[in-house]
Amino acid sequence: QKEVEQNSGPLSVPEGAIASLNCTYSDRGSQSFFWYRQYSGKSPELIMSIYSNGDKEDGRFTAQLNKASQYVSLLIRDSQPSDSATYLCAVNQGGKLIFGQGTELSVKP
Amino acid sequence: DTGVSQNPRHKITKRGQNVTFRCDPISEHNRLYWYRQTLGQGPEFLTYFQNEAQLEKSRLLSDRFSAERPKGSFSTLEIQRTEQGDSAMYLCASTPEPGPEAFFGQGTRLTVV
Repeated sequence: QKEVEQNSGPLSVPEGAIASLNCTYSDRGSQSFFWYRQYSGKSPELIMSIYSNGDKEDGRFTAQLNKASQYVSLLIRDSQPSDSATYLCAVNQGGKLIFGQGTELSVKP
Repeated sequence: DTGVSQNPRHKITKRGQNVTFRCDPISEHNRLYWYRQTLGQGPEFLTYFQNEAQLEKSRLLSDRFSAERPKGSFSTLEIQRTEQGDSAMYLCASTPEPGPEAFFGQGTRLTVV
């Protein structure tokens, strides 16, 4: 079992729709969780962090964390073509970030 | 520019040659990380430093890889006797204390021919 798992996609949504990205992790002791966006050929860019169970909203982005289920998700409302990228889930384990393989999101105009 | 800076941005080398990459973290960030990323995969942890101390090195990391952070500021990653399988994007990230949020540099893309 991989430490952090994501569906690789691609996930295709129409412009204006809600994109839902999911991630599961194996280490129950993990306390901090992150979503990074990565455009093709570029480095990862931090977009959300979450530390407590529940929802955290920042603009069009909402991160959701359920530690009991070892599950973290990212919702993108009113998706735009500029949101097309790979979204990486990362979990802090022992001071280092462990990444999933990323989910490719394509937002169609 | 106060972000994480990596040099060079691109490196093409012949198999068997040694290469060295440099990372300048965000000022006053105590932790510095090295990751490697291949196409279609997430970044893979290589090693990290707390100030000048190397705290952890991935078990998957070959002995051909070595990293230093001599004065707790910039860091270098050296790959000796490069192989084609070393071709990847090498990413550096830094973190302030105590927050775990990591900020990445632009990366160095290595191509071994």
